[in-house]
Amino acid sequence: NAGVTQTPKFQVLKTGQSMTLQCAQDMNHEYMSWYRQDPGMGLRLIHYSVGAGITDQGEVPNGYNVSRSTTEDFPLRLLSAAPSQTSVYFCASSFRGLGSYNEQFFGPGTRLTVL
Amino acid sequence: SQQGEEDPQALSIQEGENATMNCSYKTSINNLQWYRQNSGRGLVHLILIRSNEREKHSGRLRVTLDTSKKSSSLLITASRAADTASYFCATDAERGSTLGRLYFGRGTQLTVWP
Repeated sequence: NAGVTQTPKFQVLKTGQSMTLQCAQDMNHEYMSWYRQDPGMGLRLIHYSVGAGITDQGEVPNGYNVSRSTTEDFPLRLLSAAPSQTSVYFCASSFRGLGSYNEQFFGPGTRLTVL
Repeated sequence: SQQGEEDPQALSIQEGENATMNCSYKTSINNLQWYRQNSGRGLVHLILIRSNEREKHSGRLRVTLDTSKKSSSLLITASRAADTASYFCATDAERGSTLGRLYFGRGTQLTVWP
């Protein structure tokens, strides 16, 4: 199993550009989420999904869109990039079935710089 | 916010010493988890303790949970240079509308000197 994969690893954008950060998992996990990590701020939840076709907002959703058309994929779209979105983005997934305790598996991250 | 808060923010010790990190949180939880993050990498799950447990061990890791004080501690015994990393606590909300979300603290940066 590859676990949680994210692409790209690094990205530089200009203000106003749009892009999609890809996330995929091969563990058949229902729950997937996107976090951003900024120095001294820990991880902040952007959006999450409890299953295909179901998404919800986290703490910092503004400027980001998500969709979940399949169990495996959970892309994060930046609509119009701003310098404040410079951050490291992590995708995570977890199994939410009977007996699970929501241990989350993280991808390696995407380091995004917006100029 | 239910965010956990780790203490201290940074900890520097010698190899062989024990490292203790603390986490406090605000509301009732289902469980509390500790994660580790090496520089430039994703987080890795270390250990989970359920709300009805008081202590748990895994190798050189020992976690305690005091739900009356809403606090947890992570002890790493006989630290090694390879333990150098950031450590985060994360709380899982008690059943309700936020089921499935984890709330992370800001982390403790542990440096272990050879």
